[in-house]
Amino acid sequence: EAAVTQSPRSKVAVTGGKVTLSCHQTNNHDYMYWYRQDTGHGLRLIHYSYVADSTEKGDIPDGYKASRPSQENFSLILELASLSQTAVYFCASSGLGGRGETLYFGSGTRLTVL
Amino acid sequence: DAKTTQPDSMESTEGETVHLPCSHATISGNEYIYWYRQVPLQGPEYVTHGLQQNTTNSMAFLAIASDRKSSTLILTHVSLRDAAVYHCILRNNNRIFFGDGTQLVVKP
Repeated sequence: EAAVTQSPRSKVAVTGGKVTLSCHQTNNHDYMYWYRQDTGHGLRLIHYSYVADSTEKGDIPDGYKASRPSQENFSLILELASLSQTAVYFCASSGLGGRGETLYFGSGTRLTVL
Repeated sequence: DAKTTQPDSMESTEGETVHLPCSHATISGNEYIYWYRQVPLQGPEYVTHGLQQNTTNSMAFLAIASDRKSSTLILTHVSLRDAAVYHCILRNNNRIFFGDGTQLVVKP
């Protein structure tokens, strides 16, 4: 069974502080993704990666950095957290990428910025 | 811009068959149609996907229109466990466009 684990499950941060969200997958997948979801809405792609030590911008990358130090780990970094970044963040992984590969999602990290 | 359009909510009763529609009028030839479902406090869960032909698995039947501009996810004998937000999304390589989904309410 594919597994994607996110940590922490929830976090409260202060405006202007640095926040790091972590994601670990045991699927041996090449592709990993970070999405954010605002209450009552769908997911939007922030960053993704298809190989270690390389990341790509998604649809809403402003204010976020990503890091892929290994195939298994993918982090999302908010250098200067802002109120507008309060949301639930989901990490996902998939195989070779491409159109026919299923995404497996983690359970999410609920981030509240005060 | 959302590339799919779904009704905000639908209701069904346990044991019934429910048809969840999705419109994707601007779909391109190389985009797959994926369906995921999501319950509160969880990430989306894969349901099914297809390109042109109808598909079926243990969770649902996916009917794709011949012009591919719409699709319908069909859930048979729904139970309370099927209550979730159902997302119809298009996938083209790494760009996956989520809409707001359809909230399926299942009544006992």
